Amino acid sequence: DAGVTQSPTHLIKTRGQQVTLRCSPKSGHDTVSWYQQALGQGPQFIFQYYEEEERQRGNFPDRFSGHQFPNYSSELNVNALLLGDSALYLCASSFPPLNAEAFFGQGTRLTVV
Amino acid sequence: EDKVVQSPLSLVVHEGDTVTLNCSYEVTNFRSLLWYKQEKKAPTFLFMLTSSGIEKKSGRLSSILDKKELFSILNITATQTGDSAVYLCAADQFYFGTGTSLTVIP
Repeated sequence: DAGVTQSPTHLIKTRGQQVTLRCSPKSGHDTVSWYQQALGQGPQFIFQYYEEEERQRGNFPDRFSGHQFPNYSSELNVNALLLGDSALYLCASSFPPLNAEAFFGQGTRLTVV
Repeated sequence: EDKVVQSPLSLVVHEGDTVTLNCSYEVTNFRSLLWYKQEKKAPTFLFMLTSSGIEKKSGRLSSILDKKELFSILNITATQTGDSAVYLCAADQFYFGTGTSLTVIP
């Protein structure tokens, strides 16, 4: 059983560019959450998708957007990249959507130069 | 503002020691407290606590939640070098603490 898979593992982008990160949830999971983890910090919740809709959102600007597909996989898009967006981006899946343990992927390390 | 605070920020112990990690929270509509272990990238799930006063155990690890005082503790007994990691607590998957970095030296 494949766990949560994320792609790519590493990415280098230039300020102002746009980036798309991808996540496939653990088999049987229908909820995907995205987090940003800066060095030395805990994960910061970006948003959660369930049934192809954004169910809950953290305190992140509109430059951060997402999508969930019918097969429950998800994308995180970040527009107009800033240097401060450099971080590890973690995806987690769970079932049911609330009050449940989340299984994390290995993350995508984004570096903005 | 919803927040989760962990203490200590870091801890260095010798193999065989017992450690207690703390997590306090102030979260609206709180439902559950989760503990994760992060060694390199992906946090791995340890415990989920929803009821106050009921201890959860897994081998040398145990955890308990106090919903009246709004905190949880994670205990690790007879620590091993493989316990070295960052331990994260989270309220409802949405609010994570900064983590406690545990280093176990032989």
